[in-house]
Amino acid sequence: QKEVEQNSGPLSVPEGAIASLNCTYSDRVSQSFFWYRQYSGKSPELIMSIYSNGDKEDGRFTAQLNKASQYVSLLIRDSQPSDSATYLCAALSNFGNEKLTFGTGTRLTIIP
Amino acid sequence: DAMVIQNPRYQVTQFGKPVTLSCSQTLNHNVMYWYQQKSSQAPKLLFHYYDKDFNNEADTPDNFQSRRPNTSFCFLDIRSPGLGDAAMYLCATSRHGLAGDLNEQFFGPGTRLTVL
Repeated sequence: QKEVEQNSGPLSVPEGAIASLNCTYSDRVSQSFFWYRQYSGKSPELIMSIYSNGDKEDGRFTAQLNKASQYVSLLIRDSQPSDSATYLCAALSNFGNEKLTFGTGTRLTIIP
Repeated sequence: DAMVIQNPRYQVTQFGKPVTLSCSQTLNHNVMYWYQQKSSQAPKLLFHYYDKDFNNEADTPDNFQSRRPNTSFCFLDIRSPGLGDAAMYLCATSRHGLAGDLNEQFFGPGTRLTVL
């Protein structure tokens, strides 16, 4: 099993709907997780961090962490065309935990 | 605003001609990272500095070197660029090691390297 796994997509969601992005992880990463948004040709932008079991909300974004099932998700409510991007899930490594382990990213397209 | 700055944003070089990419930060973060990212792939860590300590990834080619002359600046040197080194190079920073540190990494805008 890879340390951090994501469905590469593409994921298409109608404008105004909820986009759900999922990520699973192995025991080889620590319990701190990050979601980055990356527009084509641009650098990754940190949009959410989550460290504790449960939900964390910030505006239209909600991150969910379930340690028992080893998954972390990102929900985007009221999806907008500007949300169309690749979303990268990342976790702090257990070995030298200043390093991140990235998933391969999920490409999200919001359909107007 | 505190930020991570990379220069140049676009770099064109010839096969085998050395190139240096620079990164500076005003976040006062103690860790600085260099990543390589190719199209449709996740960023790949090349190396990082934890304070003054250099940490190389096992699979980073010897062609890639780095310098961190002070807390704010970090350089990526590619000694003999090959066609396969064409990519986006990303600098990132984080604060690590103190109680309460969130270990969040913040990326600069990147340098797009083209090798002719």
